[in-house]
Amino acid sequence: AQSVSQHNHHVILSEAASLELGCNYSYGGTVNLFWYVQYPGQHLQLLLKYFSGDPLVKGIKGFEAEFIKSKFSFNLRKPSVQWSDTAEYFCAVLIGNTGKLIFGQGTTLQVKP
Amino acid sequence: NAGVTQTPKFQVLKTGQSMTLQCAQDMNHEYMSWYRQDPGMGLRLIHYSVGAGITDQGEVPNGYNVSRSTTEDFPLRLLSAAPSQTSVYFCASSRGSGTRFGANVLTFGAGSRLTVL
Repeated sequence: AQSVSQHNHHVILSEAASLELGCNYSYGGTVNLFWYVQYPGQHLQLLLKYFSGDPLVKGIKGFEAEFIKSKFSFNLRKPSVQWSDTAEYFCAVLIGNTGKLIFGQGTTLQVKP
Repeated sequence: NAGVTQTPKFQVLKTGQSMTLQCAQDMNHEYMSWYRQDPGMGLRLIHYSVGAGITDQGEVPNGYNVSRSTTEDFPLRLLSAAPSQTSVYFCASSRGSGTRFGANVLTFGAGSRLTVL
């Protein structure tokens, strides 16, 4: 069965530290890849997405992610986190043209001021 | 433009009761879906629909029914609630469901918190 795995469940960083959140998926066909973010008390919203082309994609608020097809990975990065990045982050994979969008377990990021 | 509207926001049920979570979108989106969010489990897809009259099962469909009689509405029915269905439920929609650029970015509702005693 298709699945999405996020390796870090809870990450605590100090402001200005660098961030990398891991995401791996299990599906051999065409995928679209997403990172969504849920700030405290807010709706889930899109952070960035990969459809095709350049495997390094940039999103809002200085986030970027790299699609490595051979590793089935789509890791999220940010060079310098801010307190306002405290949120829960979800990796999601659209499985081909099935309509199935599968989410990972989520990573809670806590940034200490 | 209200986006995705879910009702109710909170609900407490007793085991065995039935209820319907409502979801409506006003963006003329083809694709609609229901997820449940549980601590440590992320969001799990319950059911989804790629258009009016078409529904399909997601990862955790047991205990839930859906229908899509109109483009705008996608209600989720719990026929006989169980404590294991205590969760936060999210409805989400997008313009499309295929791998067309931009068409499948989800817009989420605010969520419905359900407690089953």
